[in-house]
Amino acid sequence: DAGVIQSPRHEVTEMGQEVTLRCKPISGHNSLFWYRQTMMRGLELLIYFNNNVPIDDSGMPEDRFSAKMPNASFSTLKIQPSEPRDSAVYFCASSSGWGMRETQYFGPGTRLLVL
Amino acid sequence: DQQVKQNSPSLSVQEGRISILNCDYTNSMFDYFLWYKKYPAEGPTFLISISSIKDKNEDGRFTVFLNKSAKHLSLHIVPSQPGDSAVYFCAASLSDSWGKLQFGAGTQVVVTP
Repeated sequence: DAGVIQSPRHEVTEMGQEVTLRCKPISGHNSLFWYRQTMMRGLELLIYFNNNVPIDDSGMPEDRFSAKMPNASFSTLKIQPSEPRDSAVYFCASSSGWGMRETQYFGPGTRLLVL
Repeated sequence: DQQVKQNSPSLSVQEGRISILNCDYTNSMFDYFLWYKKYPAEGPTFLISISSIKDKNEDGRFTVFLNKSAKHLSLHIVPSQPGDSAVYFCAASLSDSWGKLQFGAGTQVVVTP
């Protein structure tokens, strides 16, 4: 079975541009997570969806960030406008249930560089 | 505010020896802990977990120890192999949450021949 799929794998953009990251969770999984990894802060949870509904977006850094999950097989994370400090690796993860014992399966990540 | 801390950014160990990775947490309410392993250009993968009702969990070469009074957990890899070279993330969770994980910053392990 295919794992979590993320696109693009790499993105280079200029400050002020809109960036859209895409994620396809594992089929049958009903929980989806967006994370950001930086050298300084490690892995930070940005937002969590359960059954396509945002449950916890307390990690979204500011209004420039938005996430959607229009259906069970697709989610987007948008940054508008992008800034150099947004440069990081963004991971999407999915799990099959609700709760701490449900293993989260991570995608390969999108490496974003904002110039 | 980092509630899960991995104070050693890197660790170098010889093949066949033991690797010990450490993790400290500040929130005494955390009751479930996990270790994830990450290779370059890949996402993290689940390695091993432990509930707060236990102080040790073992899976093959990997053992996680939990010291609740010290708010400390460690991952032992015995014996270390070159394929263990990766970044290891410690994570913690609350049982009354939806499974939100708080991750540490990671420890880069290099296993040398």
